[in-house]
Amino acid sequence: GQNIDQPTEMTATEGAIVQINCTYQTSGFNGLFWYQQHAGEAPTFLSYNVLDGLEEKGRFSSFLSRSKGYSYLLLKELQMKDSASYLCAVRDNYGQNFVFGPGTRLSVLP
Amino acid sequence: DGGITQSPKYLFRKEGQNVTLSCEQNLNHDAMYWYRQDPGQGLRLIYYSQIVNDFQKGDIAEGYSVSREKKESFPLTVTSAQKNPTAFYLCASGTSGSTGELFFGEGSRLTVL
Repeated sequence: GQNIDQPTEMTATEGAIVQINCTYQTSGFNGLFWYQQHAGEAPTFLSYNVLDGLEEKGRFSSFLSRSKGYSYLLLKELQMKDSASYLCAVRDNYGQNFVFGPGTRLSVLP
Repeated sequence: DGGITQSPKYLFRKEGQNVTLSCEQNLNHDAMYWYRQDPGQGLRLIYYSQIVNDFQKGDIAEGYSVSREKKESFPLTVTSAQKNPTAFYLCASGTSGSTGELFFGEGSRLTVL
């Protein structure tokens, strides 16, 4: 079966660092993606991991461990505009289907 | 500019009516997808298409239909058979090359009265 888990909600303070975890159990794996979605808007692509390790992109970093079925998204120097939902998604072996987790709603407080 | 255009953004429907949501892309992507998003939930796949004139059912295809007559267009029809159609519908497209991430349209919010 396909299952992706994320915490439902998280809260952090402006300027801080927050880590959003994602665990997955899928029948195939060809990459893990993180998307940001502001309320009522379309998701936008943040990061992609297909090999184990850390990918850094400005204030955002994403980590993957394929053996553990685990990824995290790290957000540094939090800003108010980072308040959004963060979606973890796994692409299957054939690159045809993406399975999305339930999303983590992050609230950044002043 | 390249992108994905969905219309309408908001749509109201009476029970028993079929409605069609439009999705057009000029990114030259082969693959197109329709997802449904309910409050507090992730995206669930309705249908996807890898090439023109071919499409596959996703996890929640019942009560929906699609067509892919042109590479640029992938309309979704929500039929009266869909028991709980009120939701936010997202169309996406993607390519098999490089990262292969999905690009999303702005979404269509359907409300059944």
